[in-house]
Amino acid sequence: EVQLVESGGGLVQPGGSLRLSCAASGFTFPRHWMTWVRQAPGKGLEWVANIKEDESEKYYADSVRGRFTISRDNAKNSLYLQMSSLRAEDTAVYYCARGTLFWDSRSGKWYRGGGGVDLWGQGTLVSVSS
Amino acid sequence: ELTQPPSVSVSPGQTARIPCSGDVLPKRYVYWYQQKSGQAPVLVIYEDSKQPSGIPERFSGSTSGTVATLTISRAQVEDEADYYCYSADSNGNHWVFGGGTKLTVL
Repeated sequence: EVQLVESGGGLVQPGGSLRLSCAASGFTFPRHWMTWVRQAPGKGLEWVANIKEDESEKYYADSVRGRFTISRDNAKNSLYLQMSSLRAEDTAVYYCARGTLFWDSRSGKWYRGGGGVDLWGQGTLVSVSS
Repeated sequence: ELTQPPSVSVSPGQTARIPCSGDVLPKRYVYWYQQKSGQAPVLVIYEDSKQPSGIPERFSGSTSGTVATLTISRAQVEDEADYYCYSADSNGNHWVFGGGTKLTVL
């Protein structure tokens, strides 16, 4: 079954750290860009960060840059988000999501396409509170 | 920045149209996601107007200038959800969601 399963959420005090994990299965994880998205309680979706297949490119939202680090282990089919200096406003459900990937039969190559995401995990809740 | 109306309401069988406006849209693809209460988002339209497999044909997407539109023809009660547009900045490296639109079908 094609799926993403997040883990590592929980209650943490302001200023604390937490590491989220996302386990991928049912598809060729090393071929895909991967993304973290979060959703504060009762609010909309917010893009957090994304990472290229080989970790050579990483991008962050201004709200988390310098505090969060995205990484991956292709041998373990896993995506990570290391969060530090956590604030109350980081309280949210955190989703990992898979980047789109298409096969070009003419060139015989995979390509990213527009760069959006096409598969989401069920999310893990992070609560930052004293 | 992507702007969506907070809510749209239609009767069953009518056509629902959800707009998403942003200066980047003439240069970048837009994606649309459906999120039902308590669930993870689901992709319903990618690259402006393409349908993922398994999504009903009544879901369609279009763009015109700085506005992208998700159209749900013959809307059903089961289509009630929050809908989000999603696109990249001009460099394609940072991404943003619209604020979301709550679709009510009743």
